[in-house]
Amino acid sequence: GNSVTQMEGPVTLSEEAFLTINCTYTATGYPSLFWYVQYPGEGLQLLLKATKADDKGSNKGFEATYRKETTSFHLEKGSVQVSDSAVYFCALSGQAGTALIFGKGTTLSVSS
Amino acid sequence: DAEITQSPRHKITETGRQVTLACHQTWNHNNMFWYRQDLGHGLRLIHYSYGVQDTNKGEVSDGYSVSRSNTEDLPLTLESAASSQTSVYFCASSEGTRGNIQYFGAGTRLSVL
Repeated sequence: GNSVTQMEGPVTLSEEAFLTINCTYTATGYPSLFWYVQYPGEGLQLLLKATKADDKGSNKGFEATYRKETTSFHLEKGSVQVSDSAVYFCALSGQAGTALIFGKGTTLSVSS
Repeated sequence: DAEITQSPRHKITETGRQVTLACHQTWNHNNMFWYRQDLGHGLRLIHYSYGVQDTNKGEVSDGYSVSRSNTEDLPLTLESAASSQTSVYFCASSEGTRGNIQYFGAGTRLSVL
């Protein structure tokens, strides 16, 4: 079945450091891929998405590229801020409109 | 603005009681989902619906039920609450298109004592 594996946290960085959170997936066909972010005490909100191979999703300085050859969708940001501290979830949707399959989440903590 | 709301935000109940968590969306989305979030597990799908009168079981559906009598609401019922159901519950909705974004409620934190 479909699954998502993302790197275990927590990840602790200093402000302005480079961030990478690894995400790999297993799926049949051509899934859509997502990164969601959860700030403390809140629900999840979409950070970025990609729907086909080689697509790059980007938002708020974060980027991720859909790599079918390596079944990966790694999240990157060149310079993190304290306000980026949150839990990040990689997810996939196997077919249009179906439920998301989530990774276990990675907690990011950024200090000034 | 369209939104998705969950109530209550916090709930404490006792083992064996029936509990219903509400989810209401004004996006007019056909698809609605219930997930639970537990440390070390991420989010896991409980039940989902693709339209009125449609309901389906997810990965962790035992002990839960849902009903969909209109487009806006998908209440989640715990038939006989157990301590293992202590968790944070999230409702989400989406359109039925490829790459569709799921919009999440703020969550309900449920404690079963």
